[in-house]
Amino acid sequence: GAGVSQSPRYKVAKRGQDVALRCDPISGHVSLFWYQQALGQGPEFLTYFQNEAQLDKSGLPSDRFFAERPEGSVSTLKIQRTQQEDSAVYLCASSSRDTRYEQYFGPGTRLTVT
Amino acid sequence: GDSVTQMEGPVTLSEEAFLTINCTYTATGYPSLFWYVQYPGEGLQLLLKATKADDKGSNKGFEATYRKETTSFHLEKGSVQVSDSAVYFCALKSGNNNDMRFGAGTRLTVKP
Repeated sequence: GAGVSQSPRYKVAKRGQDVALRCDPISGHVSLFWYQQALGQGPEFLTYFQNEAQLDKSGLPSDRFFAERPEGSVSTLKIQRTQQEDSAVYLCASSSRDTRYEQYFGPGTRLTVT
Repeated sequence: GDSVTQMEGPVTLSEEAFLTINCTYTATGYPSLFWYVQYPGEGLQLLLKATKADDKGSNKGFEATYRKETTSFHLEKGSVQVSDSAVYFCALKSGNNNDMRFGAGTRLTVKP
């Protein structure tokens, strides 16, 4: 079956531009996670959804970051007024109740802010 | 808070050599432990997992044993191949957090 997909795979933005990153989780997966992975580092948690409810956004680094999952499937991570320090790979992961804690990751979106 | 510390890389081995990548963790409660692998140009893939103490996770010749007494989950493989070249991440998930906590990753290069 299809895995987690993300688009675009690569995004170059000028500083100050807004960007929107899309995640399509595995069909039927209740939980959806966004992570930020800086070069040479492990992924760092940004936010978590259960269905359409955003239950944890403690990892969002500033109020310029916003995520939504309005119908409990596709999710969008939006970054407003991008800064150079936002350059990273943004990973989306999903999981189901049946796979205890196991998360399935998408290929990521590499964002470069110039 | 919960955290994972893994062996710094990069690690370079010859084909058929023995591999160990160390991973230790700090967590309250009883976390589940994971190893993820990231091949060049690809996303993170689950390699193996263990959900309770003394469990051994295994896949593709890789093994790791959940050791509560030493809070460790070291990754081992008896004979590496060139195709094992990738970045390996140790991770934990506890009931106290919604997210997965990852180590910094260890880059493995296997030379023919």
